[in-house]
Amino acid sequence: GQQLNQSPQSMFIQEGEDVSMNCTSSSIFNTWLWYKQDPGEGPVLLIALYKAGELTSNGRLTAQFGITRKDSFLNISASIPSDVGIYFCAGLGGTSYGKLTFGQGTILTVHP
Amino acid sequence: DAGVIQSPRHEVTEMGQEVTLRCKPISGHNSLFWYRQTMMRGLELLIYFNNNVPIDDSGMPEDRFSAKMPNASFSTLKIQPSEPRDSAVYFCASSLGLAGDEQFFGPGTRLTVL
Repeated sequence: GQQLNQSPQSMFIQEGEDVSMNCTSSSIFNTWLWYKQDPGEGPVLLIALYKAGELTSNGRLTAQFGITRKDSFLNISASIPSDVGIYFCAGLGGTSYGKLTFGQGTILTVHP
Repeated sequence: DAGVIQSPRHEVTEMGQEVTLRCKPISGHNSLFWYRQTMMRGLELLIYFNNNVPIDDSGMPEDRFSAKMPNASFSTLKIQPSEPRDSAVYFCASSLGLAGDEQFFGPGTRLTVL
């Protein structure tokens, strides 16, 4: 089946630093999504990308849909303590119609 | 608007017991998804429905697991009999449709099977 490789697995940063994480796949996806999960909660959608090459921002978050449709990255600028959580990339489409394929997640820790 | 609603939030049961997890999708959403999350395997899609019809149940681990969606506003995931390895957080998600629509997740049910 389709798989997503998300990196890094974890990050420990100081408040104010910028963060970058990415996902790659051997398969093509039609949509890339980035979710954040807080402890004890379900994943919450941060950004959705629908077109290859698309660059989208949501506040301090910026994400891009790779031109090959096989990768995506998420940047967080000027991190704050509430950015702590697990970030997941997810691909939609390709060979699995209607099914989201999730990356393994990136655990982000922000030290004040 | 209310998001996806799941109940119970926590369930502790003994091995061999039947467990039923419940989900109410966002009103107007036509697709519903059941996921399981564990440390070892991450987020796994178990089954999903479109217009109350199961589309793909290839992620259901074994026959002990079953899911139903009797109407557009309610779905259940049942485990019978439950086993300790079923312990996980189970999420329900819904979306408007299937093709490229964002999925919105519920808060999850944390299941512990002793």
